[in-house]
Amino acid sequence: SQQGEEDPQALSIQEGENATMNCSYKTSINNLQWYRQNSGRGLVHLILIRSNEREKHSGRLRVTLDTSKKSSSLLITASRAADTASYFCAWIQGAQKLVFGQGTRLTINP
Amino acid sequence: GAGVSQSPSNKVTEKGKDVELRCDPISGHTALYWYRQSLGQGLEFLIYFQGNSAPDKSGLPSDRFSAERTGGSVSTLTIQRTQQEDSAVYLCASSSKTGGSEKLFFGSGTQLSVL
Repeated sequence: SQQGEEDPQALSIQEGENATMNCSYKTSINNLQWYRQNSGRGLVHLILIRSNEREKHSGRLRVTLDTSKKSSSLLITASRAADTASYFCAWIQGAQKLVFGQGTRLTINP
Repeated sequence: GAGVSQSPSNKVTEKGKDVELRCDPISGHTALYWYRQSLGQGLEFLIYFQGNSAPDKSGLPSDRFSAERTGGSVSTLTIQRTQQEDSAVYLCASSSKTGGSEKLFFGSGTQLSVL
């Protein structure tokens, strides 16, 4: 991809397990964002991590950022059925264009 | 408004017809984005408006696609002479600050089906 990649493309785990999704990008960034999408419609913002931060937490979410490797990861701990969704990372490309990765489809099995 | 509103939520059209998709951003938001998402795929950037600046149209796939934002608020995405490959969900998002520095708020999208 010209923009970057997320892996895995799909992830299926049991409820209660942790889920880790990775994002790689190709430009210098000021910050990186993660979004969740249910049912293929509108996205919901989860968390923003700035380039001078290495790790950030929000509830059961933990995001890391390694600007030297141009990569970020999203960890969801103690997963629930309601966490089933697609997860996307996003960053600025060029002047002010916010672009998204291809996403990870997460399925939580009860 | 309380959130980003898009209309219609679903649009079925015949190949060759023109369609207009509307986006009402959150009041006061200066940044507005349009994205396209094909089934099971990621978001494809189409166009970005920021205040009174010239829009970034670099993502528009062809000259059949155009968008405008009147009065710095409502935006309309127009697709002329629709083709079957235009079938997708079209998502609009707005933000209170310069794109990328703060989170985007998304509408529920318009599902466009070209027969």
